[in-house]
Amino acid sequence: EVQLLQSGGGLIQPGGSLRLSCAVSGFSVRNSYMSWVRQAPGKGPEWVSVIYSGGTTYNADSVKGRFSISRDNSKDTLFLQMNNLRIEDTAVYYCARIQTSLAYYFDFWGQGTLVTVSS
Amino acid sequence: DIRVTQSPSSLSASVGDRVTITCQASQDIANYLNWYQQKPGQAPKILIYDASNLKIGVPSRFSGSGSGTHFSLTITSLQPEDIATYYCQQFDNLLPGTFGQGTKLEIK
Repeated sequence: EVQLLQSGGGLIQPGGSLRLSCAVSGFSVRNSYMSWVRQAPGKGPEWVSVIYSGGTTYNADSVKGRFSISRDNSKDTLFLQMNNLRIEDTAVYYCARIQTSLAYYFDFWGQGTLVTVSS
Repeated sequence: DIRVTQSPSSLSASVGDRVTITCQASQDIANYLNWYQQKPGQAPKILIYDASNLKIGVPSRFSGSGSGTHFSLTITSLQPEDIATYYCQQFDNLLPGTFGQGTKLEIK
């Protein structure tokens, strides 16, 4: 059974840093395209970062230079390091796997974790 | 960047009704358009991928169509459990692209 279990998140002041984790089971992160997607209150989802199976990473323009995605293959865990947080980064953050075999779409998601940036 | 514009933003319909939600891309995206359903407090769930392919396990009352810049999601015979917010989303050169603004579906 595929599971993505997230941890981290919480209340942080502007300019602070936070690290989110996503422990997966049922598949291997090293062989998968993985992503972080966030959803601000009352808004649609927005992809934040992606890491391909080969290790290449990309970040959305809104977080470039501040957020970084990484993984620990030995622990099948995905991370999102968030630095210099801004009020507009407040959102529920999801880790998600990208299906790539027949088409490209998000097929499995974590439970989500709330990040609140506020003074 | 490719933008996707979804309409309507909200929709009220009766059980048994046929419901259609549309999504327009700012440029030709072939059939690289997915549809998700999101219920309160849950992560989005894939319904349709590549414009018209029904994900295994999704009820057959859901269907998708379109290509290029115009797409639609149709629910034939709306059921109470279909109450949710629906999003379209495109992939752009292997990168997760933008999501639509969402359509909140309610029972009349």
